Amino acid sequence: AQTVTQSQPEMSVQEAETVTLSCTYDTSESDYYLFWYKQPPSRQMILVIRQEAYKQQNATENRFSVNFQKAAKSFSLKISDSQLGDAAMYFCAYRSQYSGGGADGLTFGKGTHLIIQP
Amino acid sequence: DVKVTQSSRYLVKRTGEKVFLECVQDMDHENMFWYRQDPGLGLRLIYFSYDVKMKEKGDIPEGYSVSREKKERFSLILESASTNQTSMYLCASSLSFTASNTEAFFGQGTRLTVV
Repeated sequence: AQTVTQSQPEMSVQEAETVTLSCTYDTSESDYYLFWYKQPPSRQMILVIRQEAYKQQNATENRFSVNFQKAAKSFSLKISDSQLGDAAMYFCAYRSQYSGGGADGLTFGKGTHLIIQP
Repeated sequence: DVKVTQSSRYLVKRTGEKVFLECVQDMDHENMFWYRQDPGLGLRLIYFSYDVKMKEKGDIPEGYSVSREKKERFSLILESASTNQTSMYLCASSLSFTASNTEAFFGQGTRLTVV
């Protein structure tokens, strides 16, 4: 079974600064998918960014980018120019390459609470 | 836009009651999921369904059952609610897995309190 570990329960950053959220995972699969989801106080989970393990290039979405280190099984999220609206819980998640059964579900980390200081 | 709608945002039930949490999605997704979210534990999969009337247990199915009679609707049932089932419940849906269809879409959650 896969596991996802987020070692930072809480992080704080000044507005306009850059912050990096850590995520490591454990799997025996060679191909898989990794995600960062954001959950603001509204509780609506929103997909921030997605990375396919077979792609060497790190995914980027505007101010959000990842540092994917496959050998180290590490998948960190960098948020540049932090804004007040970035304040939320951030969850790292893993999805198997295989379809059907439980493989279609996501395995989540425990989350990191990101605080943006004005 | 994909929409996943959970019938209640807040629910208070008594111990021993039978509780139904309803989830509806409007994008013809094959897969639907129920997760439980607790502080410090993240999201844990309770049950999921990959087709009408099909279901499989997730990581923490004890004390729960599910029903999927129509493709768009997935219900989570607490047969006899207990205080340790006080939690946030999140429903999600997704297309059948392909390399280009990997995203899951979530509802806004139901915060259930069992007293």
